[in-house]
Amino acid sequence: EVQLVQSGAEVKKPGQSLKISCKGSGYKFTSYWIGWVRQMPGKGLEWMGIIYPSDSDSRYSPSFQGQVTISADKSITTAYLQWSSLRASDTAMYYCARLTPWGGYSRTKGYFDYWGQGTLVTVSS
Amino acid sequence: DIQMTQSPSSLSASVGDRVTITCRASQSISSYLNWYQQKAGKAPKLLIYAASSLQSGVPSRFSGSGSGTDFTLTISSLQPEDFATYYCQESYSNSAIFGQGTRLEIK
Repeated sequence: EVQLVQSGAEVKKPGQSLKISCKGSGYKFTSYWIGWVRQMPGKGLEWMGIIYPSDSDSRYSPSFQGQVTISADKSITTAYLQWSSLRASDTAMYYCARLTPWGGYSRTKGYFDYWGQGTLVTVSS
Repeated sequence: DIQMTQSPSSLSASVGDRVTITCRASQSISSYLNWYQQKAGKAPKLLIYAASSLQSGVPSRFSGSGSGTDFTLTISSLQPEDFATYYCQESYSNSAIFGQGTRLEIK
């Protein structure tokens, strides 16, 4: 059974750093991209970026480039999303999801078929 | 950048109704269109990929159609568990933009 299990809720102060995790199991972790999706309170879904755990190739949405870092440790089948200096506007639910490619001409174009349960990040002074 | 516009933003319907949600892309995205369902407090769930392919385990009352810029998600006969928010997502660009969502409520 494919599973993505995310780390627990976090409460942080502005300016603090944070790294949340997403552990994959039940499939070959190094063969699929993992993506991160933000959902601010009461709002829609935003694609943040993806990483290929096999070689750590990563792609970012322009909206999130430079704001977060996506990484992975294939030895423990875990992907990460981290911030060096949190802001109140980073308060949101963050989901990881497995990307299955479709279409044949690009391995980064596809759909998110399995999702983690979400990690709620609250940033408040 | 590609923009994805869903309509309506919200919709009230009754159990048994046929419901259609529309998603329009600002430029052609071929069939690179996915649909997700999200229930309150839960992670999104994939319903349809590649515009019209039904994800394994998803009831056949859900269907998707379209290509190019205009796409639809149809629920043929609403069930109580279908009341949720639905998102389209293009997977053509490098940023895989989501639509703003359509909230489906009980009438």
